[in-house]
Amino acid sequence: AQRVTQPEKLLSVFKGAPVELKCNYSYSGSPELFWYVQYSRQRLQLLLRHISRESIKGFTADLNKGETSFHLKKPFAQEEDSAMYYCALSDKLIFGTGTRLQVFP
Amino acid sequence: DVKVTQSSRYLVKRTGEKVFLECVQDMDHENMFWYRQDPGLGLRLIYFSYDVKMKEKGDIPEGYSVSREKKERFSLILESASTNQTSMYLCASSLGQGNRNEQFFGPGTRLTVL
Repeated sequence: AQRVTQPEKLLSVFKGAPVELKCNYSYSGSPELFWYVQYSRQRLQLLLRHISRESIKGFTADLNKGETSFHLKKPFAQEEDSAMYYCALSDKLIFGTGTRLQVFP
Repeated sequence: DVKVTQSSRYLVKRTGEKVFLECVQDMDHENMFWYRQDPGLGLRLIYFSYDVKMKEKGDIPEGYSVSREKKERFSLILESASTNQTSMYLCASSLGQGNRNEQFFGPGTRLTVL
């Protein structure tokens, strides 16, 4: 069955520390994967998608088909990165359960 | 700038009431979606629509119906609200055919059913 798994509900780091939000998927095809972010009191919005292969707000994510993963990474976390992050398998309109990132000063 | 608006930010209804949640997008998007967002469960797709008068069931359609009479408007209907439908409801839209494009979300409607 198609599935998106985000194993961590909460990830807490200090400012300047590296961040990795994990996402694994199950899909028997060529997936279209996204990361969406929801800052406090704001609407859910796209952060990045795998086909664009770009860095947004210092975040990158690489699709690893062998490991069926699409982890979101940032080398140095900032306080303004604190938010809820969702990994999504767009073809099947499946979202993960989300990971709340807390960045402490 | 894509704008997706939802008719209410907060709504309180009683068990058994019929509830209408309205969503409007102003960018001529073909696709529209309704999700519910619950802590620990993420976003779950209720219904979606790729065209006017067209609708498809998502993962959790039970207890809900939808209507899309105009391209810009997608309504979610709770025929007889129940307490387990207390949730945050998110509407989204996207351009083009299929599911592979960015979705633009509305601000959400927090529905409480007493």
